[in-house]
Amino acid sequence: GENVEQHPSTLSVQEGDSAVIKCTYSDSASNYFPWYKQELGKGPQLIIDIRSNVGEKKDQRIAVTLNKTAKHFSLHITETQPEDSAVYFCAASGDGGTSYGKLTFGQGTILTVHP
Amino acid sequence: NAGVMQNPRHLVRRRGQEARLRCSPMKGHSHVYWYRQLPEEGLKFMVYLQKENIIDESGMPKERFSAEFPKEGPSILRIQQVVRGDSAAYFCASTDVGGGNTIYFGEGSWLTVV
Repeated sequence: GENVEQHPSTLSVQEGDSAVIKCTYSDSASNYFPWYKQELGKGPQLIIDIRSNVGEKKDQRIAVTLNKTAKHFSLHITETQPEDSAVYFCAASGDGGTSYGKLTFGQGTILTVHP
Repeated sequence: NAGVMQNPRHLVRRRGQEARLRCSPMKGHSHVYWYRQLPEEGLKFMVYLQKENIIDESGMPKERFSAEFPKEGPSILRIQQVVRGDSAAYFCASTDVGGGNTIYFGEGSWLTVV
């Protein structure tokens, strides 16, 4: 089955700095890679996603890059703000059949943005 | 546009009791997934359902756990004879056939077994 590794497990930055979180996956059939932000006591909130036919996607301060050859993808947050502090999860899934929408998650990164 | 709705948000059960968690998917969504999150861990897939069908239950424990998504009403995750190790957050997610895999999560149900 799919295995997703996420690094670092904790990340501390100063407000205004950039934050980068990296994930690797094992199943070359995976083609959908979402990122979720989870605040304490809440459910995962989708912040950005990318599909395998795209190498990079950007949404305001958030960007995701995908390298299918190397089987890794990264989340980039620029101009970080204290409200970006949360746990971030990467995930991967295949397409079609029983793998449709079945996500394998990374272990999570605790991001702390210091004012 | 209501999102994925889960209830109860918090549930306390004594060992040996039953827990029932409910999930109403987003409007128009016909695919439902249940995930479990143990303390300080990532989410783990449990089961994937469509209306009246279990598509993939490879992540479900072999005993005591069951799930359904009836033709009418919410999806139910049922845990019989709960044990302390079942204490976790249980998240429901949904997507639609044309959604291109975009999966939306509910706010979760926190189960505490005492």
